[in-house]
Amino acid sequence: KNQVEQSPQSLIILEGKNCTLQCNYTVSPFSNLRWYKQDTGRGPVSLTIMTFSENTKSNGRYTATLDADTKQSSLHITASQLSDSASYICVVSGRGSTLGRLYFGRGTQLTVWP
Amino acid sequence: KAGVTQTPRYLIKTRGQQVTLSCSPISGHRSVSWYQQTPGQGLQFLFEYFSETQRNKGNFPGRFSGRQFSNSRSEMNVSTLELGDSALYLCASSLEAYTGNTIYFGEGSWLTVV
Repeated sequence: KNQVEQSPQSLIILEGKNCTLQCNYTVSPFSNLRWYKQDTGRGPVSLTIMTFSENTKSNGRYTATLDADTKQSSLHITASQLSDSASYICVVSGRGSTLGRLYFGRGTQLTVWP
Repeated sequence: KAGVTQTPRYLIKTRGQQVTLSCSPISGHRSVSWYQQTPGQGLQFLFEYFSETQRNKGNFPGRFSGRQFSNSRSEMNVSTLELGDSALYLCASSLEAYTGNTIYFGEGSWLTVV
């Protein structure tokens, strides 16, 4: 069964600290993995996209890593800011029979405190 | 350039009614997909259209349907509404297939069924 699991479910950190969010998936065959940030009541916004041949991708203070062999990804946030408070969603897309379909994790709710 | 536009943003319907939601993708994008987001289930894939053809469909009952027009605009329809259909419905567009292109989400349509 194609699934995407994220951990932790929620996380609270202090402003300026770093954190790492995890994503494990079983989607096969795999095409690419994306991380999205979703503010409350808004649509998700893309942070990174990685194909199976990419190990790391950065977007400002956000760095995503991918291990296609173990089917794990992480999103590292550096020097957190209050505006980083949001839900971070891992999204995996397949190919072949699952082309055009996205598989979503349930997200990690990050809260940054001053 | 203009982003993905969804209308209406908010609506309230009663059980048994039907509803149509509209999505205008980013100019030039040919792939449009729809998602349902609820607190309990997270984001779930409804269906994806590419060049007016439904290419993939999620595990939703037949009450959920959609279509895409020649200008890539898309609509989704939910008939015989149930209380459990209350959710944020998100539309997303992409340049081509889900092979690494960024997928852009709209702000969503909040549906409340009473």
